[in-house]
Amino acid sequence: DTGVSQDPRHKITKRGQNVTFRCDPISEHNRLYWYRQTLGQGPEFLTYFQNEAQLEKSRLLSNRFSAERPKGSFSTLEIQRTEQGDSAMYLCASSLTQPSSYNSPLHFGNGTRLTVT
Amino acid sequence: AQTVTQSQPEMSVQEAETVTLSCTYDTSESNYYLFWYKQPPSRQMILVIRQEAYKQQNATENRFSVNFQKAAKSFSLKISDSQLGDTAMYFCAFMKHDRVDMRFGAGTRLTVKP
Repeated sequence: DTGVSQDPRHKITKRGQNVTFRCDPISEHNRLYWYRQTLGQGPEFLTYFQNEAQLEKSRLLSNRFSAERPKGSFSTLEIQRTEQGDSAMYLCASSLTQPSSYNSPLHFGNGTRLTVT
Repeated sequence: AQTVTQSQPEMSVQEAETVTLSCTYDTSESNYYLFWYKQPPSRQMILVIRQEAYKQQNATENRFSVNFQKAAKSFSLKISDSQLGDTAMYFCAFMKHDRVDMRFGAGTRLTVKP
């Protein structure tokens, strides 16, 4: 078990381009989360999957954002028509069960740092 | 909406000494969870300690302990015998009982000096 992995680590793109990030959760974790972290702030919740079902979406997730988790394994987060305000660290996390459970904390990946120029 | 406030953007402590990081939150809920997460430089964020709001006893994990004051909506983290490896950003987080989305504070950058 190598933990939650995210790819790429860094992405630089021009405004208006589309980008896609990938997250591979810990293999036995059926719950997967995406968070966004801007400079000087804590992570902000974006969306949540239980297996392949997307069960929660934040108001932060505009219609330019789409997330998928086919077959309940890895997940992708796509941002269409990127804007400079999308520049941030995008964090993926997974958990075995409810993250409030003592034995099921959130496990975070290293994140994908997006810079929109 | 719940808000989490960490009023100390940066702190420093000498190795082997004790430091306390502050966190306050605002909620009308009675049943919730509070967490402290640590984010070392260029490394993954990891859970340090958690507290259930319905438990009066303060949580402790080795050198880390919390002072949970429910009425005051305060949740501070005490690190005893600070080590160089404790240098990191520390985030306080709140989660309602029946939710999966955590709300994080802006973080406190802690530097442990040799």
